[in-house]
Amino acid sequence: GAGVSQSPSNKVTEKGKDVELRCDPISGHTALYWYRQSLGQGLEFLIYFQGNSAPDKSGLPSDRFSAERTGGSVSTLTIQRTQQEDSAVYLCASTSRPNTEAFFGQGTRLTVV
Amino acid sequence: AQSVSQHNHHVILSEAASLELGCNYSYGGTVNLFWYVQYPGQHLQLLLKYFSGDPLVKGIKGFEAEFIKSKFSFNLRKPSVQWSDTAEYFCAVKGNTGFQKLVFGTGTRLLVSP
Repeated sequence: GAGVSQSPSNKVTEKGKDVELRCDPISGHTALYWYRQSLGQGLEFLIYFQGNSAPDKSGLPSDRFSAERTGGSVSTLTIQRTQQEDSAVYLCASTSRPNTEAFFGQGTRLTVV
Repeated sequence: AQSVSQHNHHVILSEAASLELGCNYSYGGTVNLFWYVQYPGQHLQLLLKYFSGDPLVKGIKGFEAEFIKSKFSFNLRKPSVQWSDTAEYFCAVKGNTGFQKLVFGTGTRLLVSP
């Protein structure tokens, strides 16, 4: 597609429920990132996929968070047993080659009530 | 692992004032450096980038940044800000060998008053 697409744009969920956030990267982009943006916290790195290599999961805050990337394209970030502190904007970005910039989607605003 | 520090969290300027936002990074090798901007209600977009060559890089909307390797810095500058520059600015770094994760600073909120 023309840009990075994320869905849903907004998600309100009850504490304790599981949520899935979707990211469609730019076609042909081999690298995909997930970030979490909270007020005053900047962009917190969560996970990074590059081609067929093992993902860099070093930023996932707990084992309730997981992500997968199917067929080297679409990625899903799953948060299990959501907590109020999970409320944030979740951003996805993709890039095509090592020395190029990352392109961001509009994000998914997650609110846990 | 790489990290980024942005020392100014909130900056308030009047139109036509000059701007300089600080960015320092920590990484043991050669780096790619970026400034991204997020205007209210919009997604993050690239302002400028440094990969190699001339350490003074120019970006969109009159912004520039200078990479000073000895100081591990990549400060953003603009000689005369406009009200439309009101936004949040993020500095980011990644190692430039192969694919590496892109790490961001905590951001600087700039408010330009007309």
